[in-house]
Amino acid sequence: SQQGEEDPQALSIQEGENATMNCSYKTSINNLQWYRQNSGRGLVHLILIRSNEREKHSGRLRVTLDTSKKSSSLLITASRAADTASYFCASSLSMDTGRRALTFGSGTRLQVQP
Amino acid sequence: DTGVSQNPRHKITKRGQNVTFRCDPISEHNRLYWYRQTLGQGPEFLTYFQNEAQLEKSRLLSDRFSAERPKGSFSTLEIQRTEQGDSAMYLCASTKGGTVGYGYTFGSGTRLTVV
Repeated sequence: SQQGEEDPQALSIQEGENATMNCSYKTSINNLQWYRQNSGRGLVHLILIRSNEREKHSGRLRVTLDTSKKSSSLLITASRAADTASYFCASSLSMDTGRRALTFGSGTRLQVQP
Repeated sequence: DTGVSQNPRHKITKRGQNVTFRCDPISEHNRLYWYRQTLGQGPEFLTYFQNEAQLEKSRLLSDRFSAERPKGSFSTLEIQRTEQGDSAMYLCASTKGGTVGYGYTFGSGTRLTVV
């Protein structure tokens, strides 16, 4: 089963608005990452937040992590039509819980209307 | 460096045939991963190499699937006796090793269609 689950599954907004996507996970993590995927293409790494960090920024992206709630959020500010894509969270489990490969959620499909 | 390269980009095969995909990772990355992705879903982990050692395999990787990474460079994923349920995008990713944790660099994938 997927370690992470994104919410919402789909999101449609107007250009210039902010988009917020949430992710929940089940077990202890080493870090949590967000990826973007354009239709039919590979995934692109956006940002990584470590388990001892609470917030991280990269350009128009802001990621938060709440390990007590086992959740993370990705905020895209001032969205553009080019931000239209699927966004996935992926968790890297702690070494003591096993798998060293990222486990991905099912994604949020973001549509930004021009 | 041009990133992670996967070949072929598309493969159509008849049920029962064998197929092989190739992945060339970023040269300084010692970790290589294979994932499978079906429409509308997130990538599902298949297997992981550190250098030439295959360190983990998912239960999704049935005995019809085999992966290799000779000499710790490129990797191949072979599917024997393909089934229609194998139709998916097969993604390869690579990253640096270490406990710190790094983002993965993905290839563009190989889309397999089994008819």
